[in-house]
Amino acid sequence: DAGVTQSPTHLIKTRGQQVTLRCSPKSGHDTVSWYQQALGQGPQFIFQYYEEEERQRGNFPDRFSGHQFPNYSSELNVNALLLGDSALYLCASSWDMGNTEAFFGQGTRLTVV
Amino acid sequence: QQQVKQSPQSLIVQKGGIPIINCAYENTAFDYFPWYQQFPGKGPALLIAIRPDVSEKKEGRFTISFNKSAKQFSLHIMDSQPGDSATYFCAARVPGANNLFFGTGTRLTVIP
Repeated sequence: DAGVTQSPTHLIKTRGQQVTLRCSPKSGHDTVSWYQQALGQGPQFIFQYYEEEERQRGNFPDRFSGHQFPNYSSELNVNALLLGDSALYLCASSWDMGNTEAFFGQGTRLTVV
Repeated sequence: QQQVKQSPQSLIVQKGGIPIINCAYENTAFDYFPWYQQFPGKGPALLIAIRPDVSEKKEGRFTISFNKSAKQFSLHIMDSQPGDSATYFCAARVPGANNLFFGTGTRLTVIP
């Protein structure tokens, strides 16, 4: 079992650009959550996808959007990048019906210049 | 508003010592309290978790103590080792949801 995998591992973008990050959940998991972790801070919940729909959303602007595919993989899109969007973006997967623990990927380090 | 408050921000102990990390919460609806360990450049990894119907849980060298009335919980690491040097996060979850509210983290350094 490969666990939760994220791509790419590192990314540098220019302010104003758009970025797409990808996540493949752990085998058997159907729920994907995205978190933003600024340097020296704890992860902050962005949103969660289940059955290809956004089920919950944290306090993030509409510039942050996502998608979940039939195979449960997910994308996080961020438009009009700001310098403050520089962070480690983490994907976590879990199995909804079991209300189980969340397993995190290694993250994507996004740097906006 | 920080839903889960964590202290201290950093901690240095000698090998074999017992570091203690504390967390406090306000939302009494939280029903699941995990602790995560994170190494630089890696994602958080679940260490141990507790539900509010028990006051203590042990897994190997890691122990969670939970005080429901005080709305506090803590992580104790027995016989700490240099390999335990990492950042530790407490978290909490609302029933029926899988999103976690994290503390701000504690950077632990275990000196050989």
